[in-house]
Amino acid sequence: GESVGLHLPTLSVQEGDNSIINCAYSNSASDYFIWYKQESGKGPQFIIDIRSNMDKRQGQRVTVLLNKTVKHLSLQIAATQPGDSAVYFCAENKKGGNKLVFGAGTILRVKS
Amino acid sequence: GAVVSQHPSWVICKSGTSVKIECRSLDFQATTMFWYRQFPKQSLMLMATSNEGSKATYEQGVEKDKFLINHASLTLSTLTVTSAHPEDSSFYICSAGRLAGVGEQYFGPGTRLTVT
Repeated sequence: GESVGLHLPTLSVQEGDNSIINCAYSNSASDYFIWYKQESGKGPQFIIDIRSNMDKRQGQRVTVLLNKTVKHLSLQIAATQPGDSAVYFCAENKKGGNKLVFGAGTILRVKS
Repeated sequence: GAVVSQHPSWVICKSGTSVKIECRSLDFQATTMFWYRQFPKQSLMLMATSNEGSKATYEQGVEKDKFLINHASLTLSTLTVTSAHPEDSSFYICSAGRLAGVGEQYFGPGTRLTVT
């Protein structure tokens, strides 16, 4: 289940289960969204992106869903593995700009 | 492709001294580089955006005289933390973008700064 930590919410899942990480974005003018994975002491690692003219995009074991009506983004990870344990951030980019605004992040803990 | 490096990966300095962090795009030319700061258990906060050959654009609340950014070439940007204080201790991350006006950024591994 989910719980709220000091700053970041935590999602704990059993190995092999599917994970769903959610993100609410703020700017209706944003047209490009990215999910990043950050392991402890490292920089963010690109996972998957989606543009606002799409509502779903699939990668290897990951799917991103975009609901522009409610400004909501989700990342689905299939068959979660221990190596998926990390902090996951969504980021939004406003159309015509090059700056990314990061969400608060979610800690994913995978239990073996 | 699209590899970004940072140097050093960690640094400890004394209060009042200055420290320089380098960010390099190794296999592409970066039109724009970005500097972020991240405190423990928090998200990345953009500090400034820099374009090669021009002055950096700082985000609101970031002191430009304290965090000096130089973007001397299309593959190198430096961040100098001047007169460092313990509250400047943080994880500093750079990123580089290949295309102007497009949000895709490639991140470096980060630099852990500890000010004693």
